[in-house]
Amino acid sequence: NAGVTQTPKFQVLKTGQSMTLQCAQDMNHNSMYWYRQDPGMGLRLIYYSASEGTTDKGEVPNGYNVSRLNKREFSLRLESAAPSQTSVYFCASRGTYNEQFFGPGTRLTVL
Amino acid sequence: SQQGEEDPQALSIQEGENATMNCSYKTSINNLQWYRQNSGRGLVHLILIRSNEREKHSGRLRVTLDTSKKSSSLLITASRAADTASYFCASDGNNNAGNMLTFGGGTRLMVKP
Repeated sequence: NAGVTQTPKFQVLKTGQSMTLQCAQDMNHNSMYWYRQDPGMGLRLIYYSASEGTTDKGEVPNGYNVSRLNKREFSLRLESAAPSQTSVYFCASRGTYNEQFFGPGTRLTVL
Repeated sequence: SQQGEEDPQALSIQEGENATMNCSYKTSINNLQWYRQNSGRGLVHLILIRSNEREKHSGRLRVTLDTSKKSSSLLITASRAADTASYFCASDGNNNAGNMLTFGGGTRLMVKP
C-alpha cells in the first residue's frame, strides 16, 4: 500500500498562474482533507470531503477549489495563485479510528 | 483561528532524558491526537486518547488528558536522537460533521546525542 500520495512534490508559480495539486489514497477511506502549513505553524484546513461526491470549506478556503474525483482522489486547485499562497500543502485521509494519514506534501512557491 | 496552543514551542534535551509537551484546546472533544513531523515530511499519527480516558501509553509515549482543563500532555521517555521532530496535538471536536481536526502550533523537539 502506498498510503497517501501527492503530486507534484515541488512547484514554483508566478502570480496569477493556475495549478492543480493531486492527491490519492489507496486505503478505501471515505474522508479526505487538504491542509496548508506555513513556517513554524500548525496545519490549517482548506477544504475537506466527508465522502465521495461531497466537499466543504474548512478554515481557509479563499483562493482554492477542490474536486473529489472518486473515492481515491481529491484534488486542490489554485485558479490565480498569489504570493500569500506560498506554503506547504498536505493531503490526508481519515482512518477507522479517526486518525488521519498524511501525504508527503507539496512545497509551493508563488513569485 | 481555532488552533490550540502548545507549550513549549521548542525544547532541547539530551539523549536519555524525558521530554514533556503540553497542549491546550478550546472546545469539547471526542478525542485528542498527537502527531509527529520530521523535517520536510508529512505528519505521522502517534497516539489517540478518547475524551473518557485520562491516560494512555504506547511504547515510550505517555499521553494524559484533562478535559476539565482542556489540556493534554505528551511524555516521551528515554529520548533518542531519532525523536528529534516537531510534535503536534490535534483535537477532534464534538458537533463536527466532517470529523475535522484542529491542530496546535507544535513543539519542536531536539534531542542531542
